[in-house]
Amino acid sequence: GENVEQHPSTLSVQEGDSAVIKCTYSDSASNYFPWYKQELGKRPQLIIDIRSNVGEKKDQRIAVTLNKTAKHFSLHITETQPEDSAVYFCAARGILTGGGNKLTFGTGTQLKVEL
Amino acid sequence: DAGVTQSPTHLIKTRGQQVTLRCSPKSGHDTVSWYQQALGQGPQFIFQYYEEEERQRGNFPDRFSGHQFPNYSSELNVNALLLGDSALYLCATSRGEGQPQHFGDGTRLSIL
Repeated sequence: GENVEQHPSTLSVQEGDSAVIKCTYSDSASNYFPWYKQELGKRPQLIIDIRSNVGEKKDQRIAVTLNKTAKHFSLHITETQPEDSAVYFCAARGILTGGGNKLTFGTGTQLKVEL
Repeated sequence: DAGVTQSPTHLIKTRGQQVTLRCSPKSGHDTVSWYQQALGQGPQFIFQYYEEEERQRGNFPDRFSGHQFPNYSSELNVNALLLGDSALYLCATSRGEGQPQHFGDGTRLSIL
């Protein structure tokens, strides 16, 4: 089945700097890649997603890029703020496992934005 | 516009017992997926319901079963609870299959 690897596991940046989180996936037919932000004790919150027919998507300070050939996708956060501190999860929706709604998640990145 | 709601928020059970968790989808959503999130890990897909049928299933034993009702709400049942079943159980709903999924706050299940 699909396998998603995520790096780094922890990331510490200064306020105002950029943060980049990278994920790789194994199912070359995967077609949907969401990113979720999870604050301590709260629900995963969908922050941005990208489909396989698009190479890049931007929403204010957040962007996601997708390289289908290399099977990796990345989350970019610019001008980081303390409220960006949280655990970020990437995910992929595979086709080989039957499509549907199954998301395979990465192991998460703990982002800490320091003042 | 109510989001995804789950009940109960917390639950404590002992080994061997059975539990039922509930999920009401966000308005306009008809597809429900259940995930298990162990501490410090990403959510693991359990199964998905659409049109009152189980459409897809992850690598979970038959002790995990579910149901979807005509109003699109869903239940997750776990029988013969094990210590390893302690986790946060998340419900995610979407408007159809393959669409963005939105999570509820989850049910924190503790097995003693």
